[in-house]
Amino acid sequence: EVQLVESGGDVIQPGGSLRLSCAASGFDVSSYYMTWVRQAPGKGLEWVSLIKTIGSTYYADSVEGRFTISRDNSKNTVDLLMKSLRGEDTAVYYCAREMPTVMGAKYMDVWGKGTTVTVSS
Amino acid sequence: SYEVTQPPSVSVSPGQTASITCSGDELRNTYVSWYRQKAGQSPVVVIYEDTKRPSGVPERFSGSNSGNTATLTISGTQAIDEADYYCQAWDGSTNIYVFGTGTKVTVL
Repeated sequence: EVQLVESGGDVIQPGGSLRLSCAASGFDVSSYYMTWVRQAPGKGLEWVSLIKTIGSTYYADSVEGRFTISRDNSKNTVDLLMKSLRGEDTAVYYCAREMPTVMGAKYMDVWGKGTTVTVSS
Repeated sequence: SYEVTQPPSVSVSPGQTASITCSGDELRNTYVSWYRQKAGQSPVVVIYEDTKRPSGVPERFSGSNSGNTATLTISGTQAIDEADYYCQAWDGSTNIYVFGTGTKVTVL
């Protein structure tokens, strides 16, 4: 069964760091684009970061320079290292797999259940 | 990055048609996907590449994209369709995804 399971969420003080992990089963993360999406309490979805199959990484303006996405092919995981955390980073963080289409479209076909990050003193 | 807007809410009677719009200047140049998110659950894709339904998604869900507006249509809406719906676009020039602001569908 294709599945994603996030972990690492916690309550952290402003300015702190946290590493989230996304463990995949049923497929190889190295063969797909993988993304992180977050949702602040009562708010909409916000794309956070992407890692392509070739290893290129991309970030939303709101996290650029503070967050780092990485992949461990041996563990079949995708991590998100978050530094200099702010109150506005409080959210449920979802890991998702990108499915490309022959027409060049991309959509997120598998999502994890999410892990909660709370930034508060 | 660019902005994509949706109406905050749409109300529909059971059996009627609900239409949710997604507007943005860049939508004319990209494909749009739609996600359904029920309370306390992860999002699930219901439409991709503007008009295609993944296997398992009921036929009552359909999509279109014309000009700078994409539309998700739910025909014969059922109570189980109550959820938040988000459109999503991919900006290939910057490799950035954009989600719409989200629409809460209420089946009265």
